[in-house]
Amino acid sequence: GQNIDQPTEMTATEGAIVQINCTYQTSGFNGLFWYQQHAGEAPTFLSYNVLDGLEEKGRFSSFLSRSKGYSYLLLKELQMKDSASYLCAVRDLGFQKLVFGTGTRLLVSP
Amino acid sequence: GAGVSQTPSNKVTEKGKYVELRCDPISGHTALYWYRQSLGQGPEFLIYFQGTGAADDSGLPNDRFFAVRPEGSVSTLKIQRTERGDSAVYLCASSFRPGTEAFFGQGTRLTVV
Repeated sequence: GQNIDQPTEMTATEGAIVQINCTYQTSGFNGLFWYQQHAGEAPTFLSYNVLDGLEEKGRFSSFLSRSKGYSYLLLKELQMKDSASYLCAVRDLGFQKLVFGTGTRLLVSP
Repeated sequence: GAGVSQTPSNKVTEKGKYVELRCDPISGHTALYWYRQSLGQGPEFLIYFQGTGAADDSGLPNDRFFAVRPEGSVSTLKIQRTERGDSAVYLCASSFRPGTEAFFGQGTRLTVV
């Protein structure tokens, strides 16, 4: 089975840096994804890690440690529009489906 | 189309009725996924199609749920004898091939009253 844990809610200030953690215990692993979801909208792809290390993409970075079953999403220079839910998802080894965590709701305040 | 299209965007139905939810994936995408998302939760996997065939339907909650993709493009999720617990947002996603980035549609919000 799969178990994915991430904090329920986080708050941060505009211009700051925030790190959203995700831990997972899975029977198979074929990559970890981060998605952003604004209220009432579809999830949109942010990042993908399959090997250990840091992937940087503009203001967003994602880190993976497969031995620790751990990932984080780092958001820099926070903007008000970054207020959203951030979903961590692990790709199943055999059938390519994504198994999602419950999501972390991030609130950015002025 | 430019993105994954789902219709209707909202559906209200009475308990016990039959509903069909439609997903039109991005043109050329061979992999198609259905997920269900309840309020405050992450998307929950239902079924995955590769081409016309259901490669993994392990997430369908019971035999009231069925999905088809007869021509390898548009997919329909069918729910028989709807129950109030079926109320959720049903999300469809597609990817160019299995394992590549999945693009989600806006979802169909199903409310069973």
